[in-house]
Formats: sequence, C-alpha cells, structure tokens
Amino acid sequence: KQEVTQIPAALSVPEGENLVLNCSFTDSAIYNLQWFRQDPGKGLTSLLLIQSSQREQTSGRLNASLDKSSGRSTLYIAASQPGDSATYLCAVAYYGNNRLAFGKGNQVVVIP
Amino acid sequence: DGGITQSPKYLFRKEGQNVTLSCEQNLNHDAMYWYRQDPGQGLRLIYYSQIVNDFQKGDIAEGYSVSREKKESFPLTVTSAQKNPTAFYLCASTNTQGYGDTEAFFGQGTRLTVV
Repeated sequence: KQEVTQIPAALSVPEGENLVLNCSFTDSAIYNLQWFRQDPGKGLTSLLLIQSSQREQTSGRLNASLDKSSGRSTLYIAASQPGDSATYLCAVAYYGNNRLAFGKGNQVVVIP
Repeated sequence: DGGITQSPKYLFRKEGQNVTLSCEQNLNHDAMYWYRQDPGQGLRLIYYSQIVNDFQKGDIAEGYSVSREKKESFPLTVTSAQKNPTAFYLCASTNTQGYGDTEAFFGQGTRLTVV
C-alpha cells in the first residue's frame, strides 16, 4: 500500500530554533513530493515541490530534501518564528495513481 | 490573481438534503480534484476529473456526485446518501492530466456541517 507517514503529530519549539519535519513514504516510484502549510480552518498552501529527479528545493527559510531510496523527505525551517505555527502536510504523487497520498501532518507551535 | 475559489466557506445541511459545493479555477488547469479532511485523518480523495465531461471515483465516492461541464468548474454534490457528511472539503487542481511533474493548488475549503 502506498502510504505517507509524518511523525510526530505535534511538536513545539522555541522561537529562533530550526524546525525539522520528517515525511516517510513506502514506494520509491514517485513523480514528486510536495510540502504544504495549512492554517486552522484554511486551505492548503503549497510551500515546496520536489521532482523525482531532484534532491532538494529551497525557498527563503525553507529547504526540503528528498531521498527516494530511503523513502524520506525532510522539511527544514530555519530560525522559526511564531508565524510559522501551522500544520505542515507532506503529499506524494505515486506513479500509476491520479491522486496525492497525504500524511496526517505535523502540527507545529513556535513559542515566542 | 489566478487561483481556486471555493464557495461557500461554511455550509449547513439538514438531514435528507442534498447540497452542492462550488469550485472554480482560473488557472487553466486540466485536472481537478475533491478531497475530504476529517480531524486526525489525512486528506481522502472523493472524485477527480482529468478533462471536461469526464471524471472518476476516488477512494470515498459513495454519497457524492460531481460534474465537469466546463474546464474551470467542478462542483461537488453531497447527497442524502452520505451518512456522515460533516467535514472540511477541499478542491484542488493541476495543469496536467494527472499529477506528473506538476504542482497541485488548493482552494480555501468549505466546512460542511449537518444540523
């Protein structure tokens, strides 16, 4: 079964610390992996898209890596701020599927 | 600005009533999707459409129906056959038929509550 796992479900960090969020997937045959941010009661905002052929993507304080062989992606958020408090979702587009497989998300609280 | 618009933001349904959620995109994307989000669960696919006048069932299609008469519109009807419709509904689109190497964009969601 093509699954996506995000652990832990929730975490808190002091402001200024670097955030590290992990995403695991069960099948290396993927088109891409996408990280999203979701604020309470809101839709999903795309943060980074990593193509299957790429190892990482960067946008400002965000950096996402992809290791297909081990089935893992990591999202790094440098120097976290209270405004980074949100739920972060990882989604994988597997070959042969016309859908995204989502993890359940990491709920992040950055403490001022 | 290009994007996906979902309406209404909040919707209340009485028992036995059908309701329709609207999803409109001006991104000129071919493919559109409906997901359901419940607390503590990941997003689950309800229906998707890769081209106009064609759509396929996702993982939890029972009690739902869709249409795709125009490229920019993909409305979702929650029928009375859906026994537990209270959830947050999200619409998404991609610019190719299927995900491929393309980024998915989401709307702001509709929260449906049964009263």
